[in-house]
Amino acid sequence: GAVVSQHPSRVICKSGTSVKIECRSLDFQATTMFWYRQFPKQSLMLMATSNEGSKATYEQGVEKDKFLINHASLTLSTLTVTSAHPEDSSFYICSVGDRRNYGYTFGSGTRLTVV
Amino acid sequence: QKEVEQDPGPLSVPEGAIVSLNCTYSNSAFQYFMWYRQYSRKGPELLMYTYSSGNKEDGRFTAQVDKSSKYISLFIRDSQPSDSATYLCAMTLYNTDKLIFGTGTRLQVFP
Repeated sequence: GAVVSQHPSRVICKSGTSVKIECRSLDFQATTMFWYRQFPKQSLMLMATSNEGSKATYEQGVEKDKFLINHASLTLSTLTVTSAHPEDSSFYICSVGDRRNYGYTFGSGTRLTVV
Repeated sequence: QKEVEQDPGPLSVPEGAIVSLNCTYSNSAFQYFMWYRQYSRKGPELLMYTYSSGNKEDGRFTAQVDKSSKYISLFIRDSQPSDSATYLCAMTLYNTDKLIFGTGTRLQVFP
């Protein structure tokens, strides 16, 4: 499977500020990347599908203007949480790969805490 | 009814035990089935990947799929304390890359 690097692993920010999370595919040219959110002791919920060179596809209920996704190259997708609020505090995880290549590889996740 | 159901546990077993983890699903269109292991505050790690009914073995791990019953299982033989983690089943619909996860089962293997 692919090798995925996610950065930062942990970030604390003040309410109202924006935070950018990077997801890099180190050895796989990813036309598609996926962003998930995970609350404590809950499963992963897909937020959006990031498409290289075009707009992201958001899942129902996910605010496009709050969670900005940019996928400018085949190796990098970024998720920006804009005007963050405490309820945005969560574990955000990206993934790369597809079902035809034996599954998906996940990044190590980013723990976001908004104070 | 959730698309994918998984017993959340926690499951606590002694070292060396055989562990059985299970998921059921309601949508017969699911075609690809995966098991992930997730340690605390880390991203999920792919353990097994299958797409047909039957068993697939990899070391101490065996994945089983029964499409007629809409049921998948992961067996861990000779469980080790290092196997202590949350195990997530996941599956995708035909011709999509959207993963649907179970809620995860927390496993603890004590020495």
